Amino acid sequence: AQSVTQLGSHVSVSEGALVLLRCNYSSSVPPYLFWYVQYPNQGLQLLLKYTSAATLVKGINGFEAEFKKSETSFHLTKPSAHMSDAAEYFCAVSLTGANSKLTFGKGITLSVRP
Amino acid sequence: GAGVSQSPSNKVTEKGKDVELRCDPISGHTALYWYRQSLGQGLEFLIYFQGNSAPDKSGLPSDRFSAERTGGSVSTLTIQRTQQEDSAVYLCASSSSGTVNYEQYFGPGTRLTVT
Repeated sequence: AQSVTQLGSHVSVSEGALVLLRCNYSSSVPPYLFWYVQYPNQGLQLLLKYTSAATLVKGINGFEAEFKKSETSFHLTKPSAHMSDAAEYFCAVSLTGANSKLTFGKGITLSVRP
Repeated sequence: GAGVSQSPSNKVTEKGKDVELRCDPISGHTALYWYRQSLGQGLEFLIYFQGNSAPDKSGLPSDRFSAERTGGSVSTLTIQRTQQEDSAVYLCASSSSGTVNYEQYFGPGTRLTVT
C-alpha cells in the first residue's frame, strides 16, 4: 500500500520568493513519485516525476524536486515564484510494475502575492 | 496529437437518475484510468484498464458505479441512481503501457452536479 501526505492546504509567497511545497510518502516498495499542477477549471498537468534515476529531478516552469529516501520526502521547490504559478499542486505516488494507479495527496493551493 | 478528451464538460442531473461520462484517450495509449476529485475526498482512483486485461475496479465506491472500455479505446463511466455525494469532477487519464511506470495524461474532466 502507498500513501502521500501534503502538510497544510494553502501556501502564500511573494512574487520572486522561494516556493517550497512539502510531500512525504509511504510505500512498501521503491516508489515512483510525481508532482502535478492544476490550474482553475483545468485538468492535471505533470510538472515532474521521479522514476528511480537521478534523485534531483527538474521539471517544467523552473520547478524541481529532490527524492530523499531517508526522509521519505519529495518536496517541490522553485527559486523564484511568478504570479502564473498560482495553482493547486498535487503530489502522487505509484508502485512500480503493471498496476500504475496514482495515489494523490490532498493538494496544496499556492498563492503568489505581487 | 490530440490530448485526452472528456464529455460532457458539465452535467447536472437529478438524484436517482443514471449518467454516462465519456473519455477518449490519446491514440495508441493502452492504459486508461478514471479518478474522482471532490472537496471532501480529494483525488481518488476509481478504475484502471490495461489492454485486454481484466480492469482493476478496486477504487469504485459502490456497485452503482461501472465502467467499460470498448475496442481498447473509448471508455464510459456509468453511475446509476445518482446520489448527491456523487457530485464531483470525474477525471480520465491515459498512458502508454510497459513495465515502467509511464506518465499519465489527464483530460479536463467532467463536472457532475447531482441536485
